[in-house]
This record gives sequence, C-alpha cells and structure tokens, in this order.
Amino acid sequence: DIQMTQSPSSLSASVGDRVTITCRASQDIRNDLGWFQQKPGKPPKRLIYGATSLQSGVPPRFSGSASGTEFTLTISSLQPEDFATYFCLQHDIYPWTFGQGTKVEIK
Amino acid sequence: EVQLVESGGGLVKPGESLTLSCAASGFTFRTSSMSWVRQTPGKGLEWVSAITSSSNYIYYADSLKGRFTISRDNAKNALYLHMNSLRAEDTALYHCAVGGDGIYWGQGTLVTVSS
Repeated sequence: DIQMTQSPSSLSASVGDRVTITCRASQDIRNDLGWFQQKPGKPPKRLIYGATSLQSGVPPRFSGSASGTEFTLTISSLQPEDFATYFCLQHDIYPWTFGQGTKVEIK
Repeated sequence: EVQLVESGGGLVKPGESLTLSCAASGFTFRTSSMSWVRQTPGKGLEWVSAITSSSNYIYYADSLKGRFTISRDNAKNALYLHMNSLRAEDTALYHCAVGGDGIYWGQGTLVTVSS
C-alpha cells in the first residue's frame, strides 16, 4: 500500500497567518491527490483535486502544490472558519490511503 | 446539490452482521464509482471498498479478508455495504464517497461492535 506521511499533526495559528501542511507519498502517485477539510460532525469537504486544482466554490486562499512525491496545502491568510482538520488522500491506486490529518487550532 | 445519506448503522455484538446503505442524489449515480471509507478517532481514515459504475470492478481492503461485500442498485441510486462477522475493530463511522477521487462524502453512519 502507498503510505502517506502528513505533517504536522497539529498546529496553532492566528487569523491572518500563512499555514502550510505537507503530505509525502511513499511512491509516485502522479498528481492523484486531494486535500480535504473536515469540521466536527461534518463530512469531509474537498478543497484541492489533482494536487493543484482548486475545487469550485473554495476560496482562493487555499492552494496546492506538488514536487515529486511531496504535496503541500497552503492557506495564505487563515480565516476563523478555517480552523478544522485537514487531510490528504491519494487515489492513484487502490487502496486509497490518507494522511494522518492536521488539526489547525486557534493560537 | 449532491446529497449522500448513509443509514443502517447501530450497536451490534461481535460476530453479528449489518448492512449499511447510502442514498445518493444530485449527481449521475449510475456513471459514478463509489467507495466506503471508515473513520475512527484513533486510527483515522481507512478506505474499505470501492465499486465501479456498472459493478464490473470491485475492490476491498486486504484487512477485511472477505467479510464485507459492496454492492449497488443504480435504479435506486443506492450503495450498500454488507458486513459479516463483525469485530470490535470494525467500530467506526462509515462514510460513502463519490467518484474515483472522493469528490463528495456523506456524513456517515456509526457502527459500534461491542458485547
């Protein structure tokens, strides 16, 4: 199975901060990666698909980048509604595998 | 608006069976691959199974060892997961998800396996 190593597992940040979350794949997954946001009691919501494409309706402060097997989600200016858990999902081959999640908390 | 509503979860004893359902609307279900993913606070997210649009290809997590069966009814816009020989470690929130890339997810149905 492809291992997805996500870091950090949690972070504290202030409104307006720039936040970066990384997922590293154990092998080539092309750009078959999505970034998701999940709030308590809610289903995951996809923010980024194809590693770098912004899902329709998602604010442009969210962006994704890719370099080889390393993938990054960036929030350029953290907003109050962005405090949540974020995770990556590789769907290049089954089984899908996920990053462990990053909980973004208020500083 | 895409809606995915899971149902069928509950409290069961080890060794018992359960069938989960996912009612889909707001997209073309009959042309979409579908998956089940489970989530626990301790282990995080774990992909369970996937089925292609016409049920031609079905995939399972190796850890399930044949205990789970995924199916779908395109006439009813419904996805199912039949779970046999349930174990405590199957306790989780079970989500259905759309597409080969998980574009949309349901809120999940909670399965608790406990004696």
